[in-house]
Amino acid sequence: GDSVTQMEGPVTLSEEAFLTINCTYTATGYPSLFWYVQYPGEGLQLLLKATKADDKGSNKGFEATYRKETTSFHLEKGSVQVSDSAVYFCALRQTTSGTYKYIFGTGTRLKVLA
Amino acid sequence: GAVVSQHPSRVICKSGTSVKIECRSLDFQATTMFWYRQFPKQSLMLMATSNEGSKATYEQGVEKDKFLINHASLTLSTLTVTSAHPEDSSFYICSARGLLAGGPRDEQFFGPGTRLTVL
Repeated sequence: GDSVTQMEGPVTLSEEAFLTINCTYTATGYPSLFWYVQYPGEGLQLLLKATKADDKGSNKGFEATYRKETTSFHLEKGSVQVSDSAVYFCALRQTTSGTYKYIFGTGTRLKVLA
Repeated sequence: GAVVSQHPSRVICKSGTSVKIECRSLDFQATTMFWYRQFPKQSLMLMATSNEGSKATYEQGVEKDKFLINHASLTLSTLTVTSAHPEDSSFYICSARGLLAGGPRDEQFFGPGTRLTVL
């Protein structure tokens, strides 16, 4: 079945460091890919998405490119801030007969130190 | 942006009792609501999908008689864990998809989650 694998955390970085959180997926067809962020005590928020191969999603300085050849959707940010500390979830969405289903990775906790 | 709330945020109950968790869409009409369960250090597992006014569709392996889902209105869905046992302790998250200003949105909006502890 479809699945999402993301790197285990926690990831601890100093402020202004470069961030990469790896995400790979296994899926039939052409799923859409997402990154969600969960801040402490809050629900998941959509960070960015890509709906087809070679699409690049970007938001708040974060980027991820849909790589079909490597089945990956790695999240990157050039310079992290303390406020980026959160849990990041990679997810894919499959559409079947007009309905869709999200499959999430296990989440990667990011801690940014001042 | 669209906001989804859950109540309570945390609940502790005795084994054998039933617990109800509410999920509300605060500023939009949720035509579809989803309930997820998250175990520590694991991903969100979809439990069921419900459309307003119709019966929920449960994922394989989820006991529909144990996890009762009601989606009676376009802004409210409830999950009732019946005869709860310690193994039901988990983090339950709802999400909603529906009609926002400007038309239907394809995006899911997530609630903050409810942590259930069964003693």
